[in-house]
Amino acid sequence: GQNIDQPTEMTATEGAIVQINCTYQTSGFNGLFWYQQHAGEAPTFLSYNVLDGLEEKGRFSSFLSRSKGYSYLLLKELQMKDSASYLCAVMDSNYQLIWGAGTKLIIKP
Amino acid sequence: IAGITQAPTSQILAAGRRMTLRCTQDMRHNAMYWYRQDLGLGLRLIHYSNTAGTTGKGEVPDGYSVSRANTDDFPLTLASAVPSQTSVYFCASKVTQYFGPGTRLTVL
Repeated sequence: GQNIDQPTEMTATEGAIVQINCTYQTSGFNGLFWYQQHAGEAPTFLSYNVLDGLEEKGRFSSFLSRSKGYSYLLLKELQMKDSASYLCAVMDSNYQLIWGAGTKLIIKP
Repeated sequence: IAGITQAPTSQILAAGRRMTLRCTQDMRHNAMYWYRQDLGLGLRLIHYSNTAGTTGKGEVPDGYSVSRANTDDFPLTLASAVPSQTSVYFCASKVTQYFGPGTRLTVL
């Protein structure tokens, strides 16, 4: 079956760095997505990786290793507004997104 | 409007009633999707449409139907609501998934 695993919850300190991991097993691979979702709101797109390596966008970076079925989202210089859930999703061979349950990130002052 | 709108924002519904959740986009995206999101579970795809006039079943289609008469609108209908359909419903468009604000549905 298809499976996306990510930690349920993480805690980090304002100003620090945090890495949120995602491992996947899917039927085919057409890219991996990260989304941010604040409580009570809709998910918003953060990043897309289809090739191995690191993609950097300001304070956020996303890494992919297709051979290991592994990705991580790196958040630097954490701000209180980064408190949210972070969703990992993989596009399978049918071009449908398979979603992880999300990682709730709690930022403490 | 800009982006995707959904209506209603929230609804409490008696079991057995019929309900249509509305979704409209103004971005002319061909692909549209309906998801449900439940606590502790990932987003689950209910139905999708790759282009106007076509629809397909997702992971959890039972009890739901959709139509795609034109590019902009993609309504989701619950023919006879049951309590297990209590959830937050998101409509999305495009492969990279622009999401609407969601509809919180409670079935009693």
